[in-house]
Amino acid sequence: DVKVTQSSRYLVKRTGEKVFLECVQDMDHENMFWYRQDPGLGLRLIYFSYDVKMKEKGDIPEGYSVSREKKERFSLILESASTNQTSMYLCASRYQGAYNSPLHFGNGTRLTVT
Amino acid sequence: AQTVTQSQPEMSVQEAETVTLSCTYDTSESDYYLFWYKQPPSRQMILVIRQEAYKQQNATENRFSVNFQKAAKSFSLKISDSQLGDAAMYFCAYRSPAGGGADGLTFGKGTHLIIQP
Repeated sequence: DVKVTQSSRYLVKRTGEKVFLECVQDMDHENMFWYRQDPGLGLRLIYFSYDVKMKEKGDIPEGYSVSREKKERFSLILESASTNQTSMYLCASRYQGAYNSPLHFGNGTRLTVT
Repeated sequence: AQTVTQSQPEMSVQEAETVTLSCTYDTSESDYYLFWYKQPPSRQMILVIRQEAYKQQNATENRFSVNFQKAAKSFSLKISDSQLGDAAMYFCAYRSPAGGGADGLTFGKGTHLIIQP
């Protein structure tokens, strides 16, 4: 089974702090994604990566950046955390070789910015 | 851009009965992929079932099946013999084969399914 591991389940940070959310997958997947999940809004794509050192903006990239230095690891960075970034963050990976291949998700990081 | 609509924010069903969750989508493409994901209280998003638009036969996975109506752009999920463990948020999702720069999925807002014992 594919395992996608997010480093923190819960995180509390202060406004203005730099925040790193880490995600690691163990199946050599090319594609990795960061989603944000808010009640009543579903999941919204922040950033994704086709492969190492490659990144693309999703639907809501403002206030976020990403890093993918190794294939298995995809980091989401909040340069200066704000209260409106309090949310659940979900990382996912996917095998690129088949269009019907599903996303495999981590358990999520619930971030609170105070 | 594609949109996915789940019109039922919450559904409730008695244990052992059948429930259908609705999903509609808007697209101009003829080929695409549809998914249903389940998110239990543990928060892990789990793939329930998937359907390729070019396949006329509805996908089935044990107690889970879909009713895919391509012309109506409808993709409902039927859960038979509901069990307590089926209680979760259910998300419908769409993927375009063209990618459009994003190979991620477009998700609906979710349906919260409650199972009454």
